[in-house]
Amino acid sequence: EPEVTQTPSHQVTQMGQEVILRCVPISNHLYFYWYRQILGQKVEFLVSFYNNEISEKSEIFDDQFSVERPDGSNFTLKIRSTKLEDSAMYFCASRTGYMNTEAFFGQGTRLTVV
Amino acid sequence: QKEVEQDPGPLSVPEGAIVSLNCTYSNSAFQYFMWYRQYSRKGPELLMYTYSSGNKEDGRFTAQVDKSSKYISLFIRDSQPSDSATYLCAPGGAASGGSYIPTFGRGTSLIVHP
Repeated sequence: EPEVTQTPSHQVTQMGQEVILRCVPISNHLYFYWYRQILGQKVEFLVSFYNNEISEKSEIFDDQFSVERPDGSNFTLKIRSTKLEDSAMYFCASRTGYMNTEAFFGQGTRLTVV
Repeated sequence: QKEVEQDPGPLSVPEGAIVSLNCTYSNSAFQYFMWYRQYSRKGPELLMYTYSSGNKEDGRFTAQVDKSSKYISLFIRDSQPSDSATYLCAPGGAASGGSYIPTFGRGTSLIVHP
């Protein structure tokens, strides 16, 4: 069964460093999302991406965040200068198209900023 | 007012019980109503979705939506220990550009004990 895969499963980084979280969405999917979940809190929307551009973003997704689909298969989230409060699980999700509402989620990357 | 509200629980029930999980939302533009299940340290997985008001049944699970009161329910019949997880209510609507973006509640933790 096709699935969304995320790497790495756990990333530890020092405050101020840049991190790149990677996702491989399901191959025929067109919409891509990043969410985050701070420990004990709810899953929060960060950004959606369609047709090689950001279609929606939340207030959390500020200038330190960026997304990219560099090669037609990977979908990345870059955090330029990490802060302690960026420590969270980051989930990538994808879905096929506008009329199909089911979003499939990856297993997540646990980011720990020290 | 929070956009999506759920009682975090935990809700503890014996095996075989009927479980009722509930959610309220504030945005009247929401058109799609999803329930996701999340096991510890895993990504959310879609259980059910409905469009507009009404009921939908899938095996032991029934989703119910009342748009007039902005109230969403998930019923689980004959609950099993394997149903122990956090259940996330995720209504959503067509945002600008037509993309669907699930907005998650905090989730209700369910424990089904043998």
